[in-house]
Amino acid sequence: HLVQSGAEVKEPGASVKVSCMASGYTFTSYGIGWVRQAPGQGLEWMGWISPYNGNTNYAQRLQGRVILTTDRSTSTAYMELRNLRSDDTAMYYCARDISSGLFSYYMDVWGAGTTVTVSS
Amino acid sequence: EVVLTQSPGTLSLSPGQRATLSCRASQTIGTNFIAWYQQKVGQAPRLLIHGASSRATGIPDRFRGSGSGTDFTLTITRLEPDDFAVYYCQHYGTSPPGTFGRGTKLDLK
Repeated sequence: HLVQSGAEVKEPGASVKVSCMASGYTFTSYGIGWVRQAPGQGLEWMGWISPYNGNTNYAQRLQGRVILTTDRSTSTAYMELRNLRSDDTAMYYCARDISSGLFSYYMDVWGAGTTVTVSS
Repeated sequence: EVVLTQSPGTLSLSPGQRATLSCRASQTIGTNFIAWYQQKVGQAPRLLIHGASSRATGIPDRFRGSGSGTDFTLTITRLEPDDFAVYYCQHYGTSPPGTFGRGTKLDLK
């Protein structure tokens, strides 16, 4: 079970931080992946983090703007996206990734999504 | 980076028919690390298939994944009204990380 934080509205150039609280499983036994979906578009894989060892993978086009972190004490994962642009407007999903090792694998449990709107 | 091309873009069928969705990779995927997801309107994606052919927990056997190399297929036998959705394939377990295909929309005819 993954519960995401609420909708956000941000201005261009700002940052947003979305949280994803996990329950019902051992947080460090799985990774957390982040996927976004712009309105009317397909799925875009953003990145993955292992709560077990802190390993991360990021999509190349977002490298440098996205930061994934976890807080093992609260079983919560965070996705921070910096220097927001209008084309970052999207639904942002966290998902449980079957891998907690070196690379992201497939995602078997998904959060409901968090809407992020970037507008001046 | 592996690019996944899904076809057709839209598939219009009726309940009871068989759906065949294609996912073609730009390079050979030797590990068969292909997953399929279903996404209904207004909902998060749901994992259907991993490892090209293994059904996820709770997925009915009407959903069948197959393929190897560069060509992978999701077959839905005997379509039910609840199956009309968008389907995405994904390549995983690689560096650089895998991406999703652009999706196939399964439409009610």
